Amino acid sequence: EAGVAQSPRYKIIEKRQSVAFWCNPISGHATLYWYQQILGQGPKLLIQFQNNGVVDDSQLPKDRFSAERLKGVDSTLKIQPAKLEDSAVYLCASSRPFAGGGESFEQYFGPGTRLTVT
Amino acid sequence: DAKTTQPNSMESNEEEPVHLPCNHSTISGTDYIHWYRQLPSQGPEYVIHGLTSNVNNRMASLAIAEDRKSSTLILHRATLRDAAVYYCILLREAGSYQLTFGKGTKLSVIP
Repeated sequence: EAGVAQSPRYKIIEKRQSVAFWCNPISGHATLYWYQQILGQGPKLLIQFQNNGVVDDSQLPKDRFSAERLKGVDSTLKIQPAKLEDSAVYLCASSRPFAGGGESFEQYFGPGTRLTVT
Repeated sequence: DAKTTQPNSMESNEEEPVHLPCNHSTISGTDYIHWYRQLPSQGPEYVIHGLTSNVNNRMASLAIAEDRKSSTLILHRATLRDAAVYYCILLREAGSYQLTFGKGTKLSVIP
């Protein structure tokens, strides 16, 4: 099966500019995640969607970050205006609904978008 | 959420076994132990998971202590391609099934 697709792979912008990232999850995966990974750290969850509804956006800086999931498939993450500290890799992941009972709950990650804010 | 503790880095010679430890002393009964790894310039990928019993798959083995307060990921023969950051994560069988990543263990494989 095709993996999680993300674009662009790299983006360089100046501070106070805006930027958008796109993610196409694996077909049939109802749950979609956006993570931020700062150099040297593990990924940090920003927002989680179940179909096109938000499950958790508690760690999303809502004054500058926004995300949507159109028709429960593709998703976009936007930053406006960007700050220097937003320089990071933005990862998208998707998963099937967890059925419990020991079934593997596996998240499939895309290659990420490396954002540099100058 | 229960936390995990891993060494910052480890080294292994190529073609030798590697044992990556993880401590999770506050684990609860419904927490699954998951391992992911992240190769350079790639997103994380699932490696293995378990609850109480030891588990094997094509990538690795997972050994879980009897009291479940620690676990060990075992790579039977390290290759250069296994050089990555390995994350040990507890996932509760309820709620939103979110992965909380720590800093992981950076594994270097020496040719």
